[in-house]
Amino acid sequence: GAGVSQSPRYKVAKRGQDVALRCDPISGHVSLFWYQQALGQGPEFLTYFQNEAQLDKSGLPSDRFFAERPEGSVSTLKIQRTQQEDSAVYLCASILTGGGGELFFGEGSRLTVL
Amino acid sequence: KQEVTQIPAALSVPEGENLVLNCSFTDSAIYNLQWFRQDPGKGLTSLLLIQSSQREQTSGRLNASLDKSSGRSTLYIAASQPGDSATYLCAVFAWGSQGNLIFGKGTKLSVKP
Repeated sequence: GAGVSQSPRYKVAKRGQDVALRCDPISGHVSLFWYQQALGQGPEFLTYFQNEAQLDKSGLPSDRFFAERPEGSVSTLKIQRTQQEDSAVYLCASILTGGGGELFFGEGSRLTVL
Repeated sequence: KQEVTQIPAALSVPEGENLVLNCSFTDSAIYNLQWFRQDPGKGLTSLLLIQSSQREQTSGRLNASLDKSSGRSTLYIAASQPGDSATYLCAVFAWGSQGNLIFGKGTKLSVKP
């Protein structure tokens, strides 16, 4: 696609509900990143994939967070048993190569946990 | 651990002014530094990417400099316009134990007509 696409753009969940957020990166981009952005803060790293391999998941805040990219393209970030502190914008970004280069971001998925 | 700081946190200027946004980072072992713009409720738009071997990059009214040894970057915006109002984020890319882009908290810019 022309850009990084994320869905849903907005999600309201009741506490305890499971949610799944999808990221469709730019076609051919090798690396994919997930970030969490709280209100008024910069994005915080969650996890990183190179193709289908999850190379770094050190930023995932708890074992309720799980990400996958089974075919090296679309990625899903899953949050189980959501808590209010999970409310944030979840941003996905992709980059063409594995080396340092320009990151392209999607518009994010805004999660509100009631 | 790499930390990125942006000063000021917020800035309000009249239209037409030239302005400078500052970014500092604690670990000079970076691959590149990227400046982004974020409009309310939107994702991040890349403005300028400076590789570690470069000193500056320019795009239109924007100029970004990088001084790796001192851990600093500045984003210069010439002849500011109301449409420049947004949050500007600086991020450094460093492979290694973190292997990801580390962001500052941003500078919220407001340009008054």
